[in-house]
Amino acid sequence: DAGVTQSPTHLIKTRGQQVTLRCSPKSGHDTVSWYQQALGQGPQFIFQYYEEEERQRGNFPDRFSGHQFPNYSSELNVNALLLGDSALYLCASSLGDRGETQYFGPGTRLLVL
Amino acid sequence: GDSVTQMEGPVTLSEEAFLTINCTYTATGYPSLFWYVQYPGEGLQLLLKATKADDKGSNKGFEATYRKETTSFHLEKGSVQVSDSAVYFCALSDQPGGGNKLTFGTGTQLKVEL
Repeated sequence: DAGVTQSPTHLIKTRGQQVTLRCSPKSGHDTVSWYQQALGQGPQFIFQYYEEEERQRGNFPDRFSGHQFPNYSSELNVNALLLGDSALYLCASSLGDRGETQYFGPGTRLLVL
Repeated sequence: GDSVTQMEGPVTLSEEAFLTINCTYTATGYPSLFWYVQYPGEGLQLLLKATKADDKGSNKGFEATYRKETTSFHLEKGSVQVSDSAVYFCALSDQPGGGNKLTFGTGTQLKVEL
């Protein structure tokens, strides 16, 4: 049973660039949530996708956007990168938009120079 | 808004010592509570959860009881091992209807020495 997978594992970008991160949910899951984890901090909720729609959003600017595909996989896009966007980006999957157990992937570590 | 407060680390213990990591929360309604663990260089793994008051979650020798009267969900283990060294995150999920985003504490690093 495949767990949550994310790609790439590491990424280096420069300020002003754009980045796309990818996530495949755990088998049988249809909901994907994205979190940003700065160094030494707890994860912060970015947004959640269910039925290909953004269902809930945290306190992140519009530079952060996403998409969910019919196969439930998801992308996180960040435009106009800032140094402060450097973090570990975690994807979590669950079943249904009211399910409470989220399973996390290994994350994508983004470094913005 | 919802928030989670954890005791600051690092917590350093000798193997076989008793572990307590304190967690308190602020939330409207009746949240579900979780402990996640993060090993070095990895994502988060669900350790245990409790969905209503007085529930006790347990896994791998760890346990935590949902105390609504004190808004707490402290993590305990009777005898820690070196392999338990990791960062532990307390989290809550908001109510159904609002989705199930997780609100995390800042994490508590545990170091277990021989």
